[in-house]
Amino acid sequence: DQQVKQNSPSLSVQEGRISILNCDYTNSMFDYFLWYKKYPAEGPTFLISISSIKDKNEDGRFTVFLNKSAKHLSLHIVPSQPGDSAVYFCAARVGNFNKFYFGSGTKLNVKP
Amino acid sequence: GAGVSQSPSNKVTEKGKDVELRCDPISGHTALYWYRQRLGQGLEFLIYFQGNSAPDKSGLPSDRFSAERTGESVSTLTIQRTQQEDSAVYLCASSTQRYEQYFGPGTRLTVT
Repeated sequence: DQQVKQNSPSLSVQEGRISILNCDYTNSMFDYFLWYKKYPAEGPTFLISISSIKDKNEDGRFTVFLNKSAKHLSLHIVPSQPGDSAVYFCAARVGNFNKFYFGSGTKLNVKP
Repeated sequence: GAGVSQSPSNKVTEKGKDVELRCDPISGHTALYWYRQRLGQGLEFLIYFQGNSAPDKSGLPSDRFSAERTGESVSTLTIQRTQQEDSAVYLCASSTQRYEQYFGPGTRLTVT
């Protein structure tokens, strides 16, 4: 029962261009969404988050968009840099429960 | 400051043996999570601790899996009678009241 889905296992982008990573979810009870970045042989690191009462949150080069009606989340990275090459996971939390559901990840490759 | 640490970093064990994985969370973090990541897949929730109590054990795959936590400190995940399908990276994360989780580097378990 995959409640959070990342349908693109990989994405390749040229340095300087925009990277758009997508995430879909099924549970309307999710109230908080997060993006994590993971380098090989390391644990995931928190990147950016958004509450379900918002539709956009921006932090430097990273912007997360939430479309609740479509149950869709996206992460935009502008401009993309080679150091952004990593696996990106989206995660969602059910309100009042500290349980998080993670997607399967999207491997981003930013080419110099 | 020190992050989340996990030990061992790698563990190779024979099928049928018991293994114990350790997680040292960030000091002061009240919440602690265990996840499993199989090859090519996303993070699978196993168990969540708030202090030393585990309000959600729903992710433990079978009764061969158990976990304990001492106060708001170290946690151990024990897998009894290991099977080949237990081979995965086991990740531990800790957090405060906020939603962002801080992950350790993981323990790579290989059951031969």
